[in-house]
Amino acid sequence: EVQLVQSGEEVKKPGESLKIPCEGSGYNFTTYWIGWVRQMPGKGLEWMGIIYPGDSDTRYSPSFKGQVTISADKSINTAYLQWSSLKASDTAMYYCARQGGPTIFFDSWGQGTLVTVSS
Amino acid sequence: QSVLTQPPSVSAAPGQKVTISCSGGSSNIGNNYVSWYQQLPGTAPKLLIYDNNKRPSGIPDRFSGSKSGTSATLGITGLQTGDEADYYCGTWDSSLSTVVFGGGTRLTVL
Repeated sequence: EVQLVQSGEEVKKPGESLKIPCEGSGYNFTTYWIGWVRQMPGKGLEWMGIIYPGDSDTRYSPSFKGQVTISADKSINTAYLQWSSLKASDTAMYYCARQGGPTIFFDSWGQGTLVTVSS
Repeated sequence: QSVLTQPPSVSAAPGQKVTISCSGGSSNIGNNYVSWYQQLPGTAPKLLIYDNNKRPSGIPDRFSGSKSGTSATLGITGLQTGDEADYYCGTWDSSLSTVVFGGGTRLTVL
């Protein structure tokens, strides 16, 4: 069974850094792209970017480029989403999701990590 | 404002059929495959339809997808109270170089 497991809620202060994981299991982690999706409170889905763990090829949405860093460690089947300096506006649920094939669709999703940034 | 336009809400009675539209343009729906996702309250999205009209294993045939030109449609027949959720369409936008989602449609089963 394909599974993506994310960490629990994170509560941080503005200006702090954060790196949240997404661990894949049940499939060959290195051969599927992993994407990150933001959902702000009460809002819709926003695609942030995607990484190919096999060679760490990474693509960012123009809206998020320079704001976050996506990385992966294929030795432990884990992708990451990272901030160097959080803002209150980063408060949201963050999902990782596996791209299911050569076309753009996400066939398996993590349970989400809720990030709350507040002073 | 989302690149893909969905109605904010739709409703229908149990057992009935409902359709949810997703309107875009030539840079997204017009030239790329569409997928649909169901997000039950408090849970992660779940893939319902990919490549315009294909269902992943385990998704009942009550759910269907179609595409015509720059619009796509999700159909749900035999509505159940358990279908109450937010539904999102998604595709690649070649001009923006990003995945785009619709704003979401909340389905109420009356």
